[in-house]
Amino acid sequence: AQSVAQPEDQVNVAEGNPLTVKCTYSVSGNPYLFWYVQYPNRGLQFLLKYITGDNLVKGSYGFEAEFNKSQTSFHLKKPSALVSDSALYFCAVRDMNRDDKIIFGKGTRLHILP
Amino acid sequence: DVKVTQSSRYLVKRTGEKVFLECVQDMDHENMFWYRQDPGLGLRLIYFSYDVKMKEKGDIPEGYSVSREKKERFSLILESASTNQTSMYLCASSFRQAYGYTFGSGTRLTVV
Repeated sequence: AQSVAQPEDQVNVAEGNPLTVKCTYSVSGNPYLFWYVQYPNRGLQFLLKYITGDNLVKGSYGFEAEFNKSQTSFHLKKPSALVSDSALYFCAVRDMNRDDKIIFGKGTRLHILP
Repeated sequence: DVKVTQSSRYLVKRTGEKVFLECVQDMDHENMFWYRQDPGLGLRLIYFSYDVKMKEKGDIPEGYSVSREKKERFSLILESASTNQTSMYLCASSFRQAYGYTFGSGTRLTVV
C-alpha cells in the first residue's frame, strides 16, 4: 500500500538554527511528493513538490526538500529558522493505486523558539 | 490569484440540523475534494468529484453527502449533524491530481 510517514509529532528549533522536518514514503513506481504548511485556523498552503529532476527542490518561504530514493525520504529543510515558520507541516504523496489521489501524513508541528 | 473559497470560517450548529458547507473554486479545475481534519488523525477524505454531477466516496463518507451541480462548486452536506462531526473541514481542488491540490481556508464546525 502507498503510504507516507512523518515520524515526529513535534519539532522544536531555536530561531536562526537550521531545521529539518522528516518524511518517509512507500510507493510503487516513481513518487510524486509534496510538502504543505498550515498556519492556525487556516487551510493548507503548497510549499513545494518533487516530480522528477534534481533531488534538491526549492520552494516557498526559503524552504527546500531533499529527495533520497535509496532512503525513501523527502525531508523538509531550511537553513535558518524564523519564529514565523512555526506551523503544522504535512508531507504528501501521490497514490497511484487510488486514481492518483494524494495521501497526507499526519503532520508535524514545528515550534521555532525565539 | 487563484482561489478556493469556503463560505464560512466558523459555524455552530445544533445536533440534528442539516448543514451545508459550500466550496467554490475559480481555477476551472475538474477535481474537487472534501476532507476533515482532526488532531492526531491528520486529513481524512470524505468525498471527491472528478466532474460535474459526479461524486465518489472517500474514506469516511458516513453521515455526509455531496453535490456538484456546477464545475466550480462542490457542497458538503451533513444530513443530520452530530457532535462527532465537530471538526475542521477543508475543501481542495486540482487540475490534475499529480500536480498537487489548492486548499480553501477551512470551516471550523462545532455541533452542540
